[in-house]
Amino acid sequence: KNQVEQSPQSLIILEGKNCTLQCNYTVSPFSNLRWYKQDTGRGPVSLTIMTFSENTKSNGRYTATLDADTKQSSLHITASQLSDSASYICVVSDRTGGFKTIFGAGTRLFVKA
Amino acid sequence: DSGVTQTPKHLITATGQRVTLRCSPRSGDLSVYWYQQSLDQGLQFLIQYYNGEERAKGNILERFSAQQFPDLHSELNLSSLELGDSALYFCASSVDGVTDTQYFGPGTRLTVL
Repeated sequence: KNQVEQSPQSLIILEGKNCTLQCNYTVSPFSNLRWYKQDTGRGPVSLTIMTFSENTKSNGRYTATLDADTKQSSLHITASQLSDSASYICVVSDRTGGFKTIFGAGTRLFVKA
Repeated sequence: DSGVTQTPKHLITATGQRVTLRCSPRSGDLSVYWYQQSLDQGLQFLIQYYNGEERAKGNILERFSAQQFPDLHSELNLSSLELGDSALYFCASSVDGVTDTQYFGPGTRLTVL
């Protein structure tokens, strides 16, 4: 069964600190992996998109890595800001029958002053 | 503002009823996606259209249907509504519907009483 698992479920960090969120997946055959940021009650915002051949992608203070062999991805946030408080969702699409998409449950990040 | 518009913002209806949610994609985007986000199941992919044609189908119930019109706007029809259909319904759009960035709308919050 295709699955996407994220850890930790929630995380509290101090403003200015770095953090890393994890995503493990079993989706196969793999097409692409996306990280989204979602504020409560609002639509997700795309942070990064990686295909099989890419192992790192940056978007400002956000850097995602992908190890397609171990089926693991991470999202590293540098110099966190209060506005980084949100849910971060890992999404993996497969290549069967039209790019089906599986969402992780997300990591809830709280950045404190 | 992502450029994707969804109407209505809120919808309250009774069990057994039918509702239609509307989505207008960003200018130039040919692909439209529908997602459901509930408290107990998180975000789920429902269906994708590309230039009027269905491209991928996810966990969409038979009571739900969607279409994309020639002007590229899309509608999601939900019928025989049940309490469990209460959720946020997001529409997203992208240019080519493969590995490009998806832009999410603000969502329609459906409450079934």
